Amino acid sequence: KNEVEQSPQNLTAQEGEFITINCSYSVGISALHWLQQHPGGGIVSLFMLSSGKKKHGRLIATINIQEKHSSLHITASHPRDSAVYICAVRSRASYDKVIFGPGTSLSVIP
Amino acid sequence: NAGVTQTPKFQVLKTGQSMTLQCAQDMNHNSMYWYRQDPGMGLRLIYYSASEGTTDKGEVPNGYNVSRLNKREFSLRLESAAPSQTSVYFCASSENRVTEAFFGQGTRLTVV
Repeated sequence: KNEVEQSPQNLTAQEGEFITINCSYSVGISALHWLQQHPGGGIVSLFMLSSGKKKHGRLIATINIQEKHSSLHITASHPRDSAVYICAVRSRASYDKVIFGPGTSLSVIP
Repeated sequence: NAGVTQTPKFQVLKTGQSMTLQCAQDMNHNSMYWYRQDPGMGLRLIYYSASEGTTDKGEVPNGYNVSRLNKREFSLRLESAAPSQTSVYFCASSENRVTEAFFGQGTRLTVV
């Protein structure tokens, strides 16, 4: 079992839909990151959170430390949101260890 | 402000050839990282440097060497490339080991 899992693996949505991507992890963490990787390959950090909820524009990230679960929500989705979304956790046991999930591939259709 | 710059963007090597991937950041970050990304797998850490003058092995260091030339630059060297090293390589930097990381655009390496 991977230490960081994401669901779904692939997601296709119609423009305007509300999207949720889930991340579950099995290790103690000090922080969780959500990253976005566009088809061109570049990776951008969206959020870093250790508790509660953060919002940036149409993106919302939440984390439940007790349940070892995080969600990334996209409101009013747009084709430009099409990308791979990656969840990564920083191990509490070792600040040097960051474990990446396999990614969720999102395609938003006009 | 360029952020993290990686060169080259694409490279094809023959088995046994050597090459160095270059990475530079202009954000005065202390920590720098090299990752590889393979289909169906998450990013995996090859080597990292917590500060100028220090380097440490990550999850998959075999077949690679690194040099933290100065605070800005962190290079990854393949001494004798193997087909198993075909991958996309990402360099990243962060202010320290616990802050968010900024990534380069990636280097797509094919070893034939």
